[in-house]
Amino acid sequence: QSVLTQPPSVSGAPGQRVTISCTGSSSNIGAGYDVHWYQQLPGTAPKLLIYGNSNRPSGVPDRFSGSKSGTSASLAITGLQAEDEADYYCQSYDSTRVFGGGTKLTVL
Amino acid sequence: QVQLQESGPGLVKPSETLSLTCTVSGGSINSYYWSWVRQPPGKGLEWIGYIYYSGSTKYNPSLKSRVTISVDTSKNQFSLKLSSVTAADTAVYYCARDSIVAAGNYYFDYWGQGTLVTVSS
Repeated sequence: QSVLTQPPSVSGAPGQRVTISCTGSSSNIGAGYDVHWYQQLPGTAPKLLIYGNSNRPSGVPDRFSGSKSGTSASLAITGLQAEDEADYYCQSYDSTRVFGGGTKLTVL
Repeated sequence: QVQLQESGPGLVKPSETLSLTCTVSGGSINSYYWSWVRQPPGKGLEWIGYIYYSGSTKYNPSLKSRVTISVDTSKNQFSLKLSSVTAADTAVYYCARDSIVAAGNYYFDYWGQGTLVTVSS
């Protein structure tokens, strides 16, 4: 069981908006630690998508956004594209670096 | 552009020690934390541990008794050793650079391509 809980899967049609939740507790997200998000395309290494809850590294489209509130965080993807089909992981800190279990995004 | 490349045997026998090296290019290994992360086939990501360029380390408590991470700054490399491996240690192993925002706030901004290590006799 992962310390951070994500839905196993989400889906959406091209052009739509989807959100992926990441639920933690008072010892990690709720303690004020930042949440970071990674995108893992099939057969590739994870790629940093969002850092510090809501910051995008250079080169990441502004269709991707992150937010955090209380003991949870969310990743939102607007204008869904076929190339967004991937696994998404949240990551935070709880005495050690911890990951969510991952969410598979399917573009219908 | 920082690049990381894992290297090491792709097959390890049960009870033996898994050994991998990560070579960093395009930047210095100094002044950063460097981590190992693994991903069993079809499963999620698990942080194994980190090393600072100075040599200080921290490991995932679930693996701590079997893990050793070391650094060779002269070669811009860091290494992972995982002892007494079983089939449950079969995974893609990634090396990654830790960026620190503040104490307790760390994220991985550069990743290696990963290397599959299979534990089997």
